[in-house]
Amino acid sequence: QQPVQSPQAVILREGEDAVINCSSSKALYSVHWYRQKHGEAPVFLMILLKGGEQKGHDKISASFNEKKQQSSLYLTASQLSYSGTYFCGTDGSGNTPLVFGKGTRLSVIA
Amino acid sequence: EADIYQTPRYLVIGTGKKITLECSQTMGHDKMYWYQQDPGMELHLIHYSYGVNSTEKGDLSSESTVSRIRTEHFPLTLESARPSHTSQYLCASSDRKAFFGQGTRLTVV
Repeated sequence: QQPVQSPQAVILREGEDAVINCSSSKALYSVHWYRQKHGEAPVFLMILLKGGEQKGHDKISASFNEKKQQSSLYLTASQLSYSGTYFCGTDGSGNTPLVFGKGTRLSVIA
Repeated sequence: EADIYQTPRYLVIGTGKKITLECSQTMGHDKMYWYQQDPGMELHLIHYSYGVNSTEKGDLSSESTVSRIRTEHFPLTLESARPSHTSQYLCASSDRKAFFGQGTRLTVV
C-alpha cells in the first residue's frame, strides 16, 4: 500500500528549513528517501531500518517512528541544490516490494 | 556509482507495435523493479522480481510483461503499444537501497 506524503509542494528561500512527512497504514520494515531532479532518475538519500532511528546526510536528516509508522525528512538551511521532488518509499518484511508516495515538490529560491 | 542501464533512452513507435525495453545491472542484485512515471508525477510500480524466474505484478494495471531468466537482466515487453502507454519507464535494482536506471521515455503515436 502506497505511503502518504505531505506536503505536496513547498517553496523555500535559501537558508530556510523544511520538513517532509511520510506515513503508512501498514507495518513498516524500512523507510527510504529519494530525491529526483527534473529530467533525471531518483537518487537514493538514506534508508531507516529501526524504530526511532535517525540518520543524517549533509544537512538533510530523517527520523523513523516504527510504532507510529511515520517518517520525517528534515532539510536544514536549504540550498538551491536541494530543489527537486522528494519521494519516500516503504517496504514490509519478506518479499514485499518497494512502493513510493506521491512525492513532495521542493523549490528553493534565492 | 550505480551500474544499471536501460536502453533505449528514447523511443517513438507506432500503435500496435511490439516493443521490449531493456534493463541490465551488474551489481548482482536479486531485487529488480519497473516503475512507470509521467513527468513530474508519482512512481507507479508495474512489475517486480526477487530473483531468477520470479516475477510479480505491481499495483498499477499494466498490459506489459516481464521476464527474469538471468539475475542481471529484467526486460519489459509491450505486445501491442497504444498511445496510453506513452510515459517514462524506470528500472531499478536493490540490495536494500534502490538504484535507478536513467529511464526510457516512450512515445506511442
